[in-house]
Amino acid sequence: DAKTTQPPSMDCAEGRAANLPCNHSTISGNEYVYWYRQIHSQGPQYIIHGLKNNETNEMASLIITEDRKSSTLILPHATLRDTAVYYCIVRSPQGGSEKLVFGKGTKLTVNP
Amino acid sequence: EADIYQTPRYLVIGTGKKITLECSQTMGHDKMYWYQQDPGMELHLIHYSYGVNSTEKGDLSSESTVSRIRTEHFPLTLESARPSHTSQYLCASRSGTGELFFGEGSRLTVL
Repeated sequence: DAKTTQPPSMDCAEGRAANLPCNHSTISGNEYVYWYRQIHSQGPQYIIHGLKNNETNEMASLIITEDRKSSTLILPHATLRDTAVYYCIVRSPQGGSEKLVFGKGTKLTVNP
Repeated sequence: EADIYQTPRYLVIGTGKKITLECSQTMGHDKMYWYQQDPGMELHLIHYSYGVNSTEKGDLSSESTVSRIRTEHFPLTLESARPSHTSQYLCASRSGTGELFFGEGSRLTVL
């Protein structure tokens, strides 16, 4: 699975959009970008995933660059409850290593 | 909401005790995983399974063992708990489209 790079921390004001970047320059053609978040010590929660087209669901939007070497998770109107560690992972949905590495992620703090 | 459950949520036991952490999912997923995570630290994969009768060790060496006799059940056992085993243990299963669904975790404290 391709390696990802994320900033260790970010701050965002409540009600504003939170834009979390992820670099995955070694991504291969069949690998998707997945985003998860972990609130405090709960189990990580799946947010969204995509291959090359932008994706949107009720939680967030995912913007993937045309060369697929980076992506941005967008929380359009961040709330205090969005404070969490956000993980970006790249892998093939069917294959890829089972030794899935979450890394350190980005700790997002939403401030009132 | 994901249908994956872990019990117990919290456990405090003495050194030398045998413990089993339970993990069950009702989604019919073949692939299941156990991660270990200390507070504020990264998740480390300790065991995974491709399906019934399949178990593999993950990246982080662990003295625990797992079994997969049924698709929905993936218990983790520590034969003789030690204080170094104090941690949070997270179970997950993987859908056919690659998403991981996690349980709420079992927080183990060994005195």
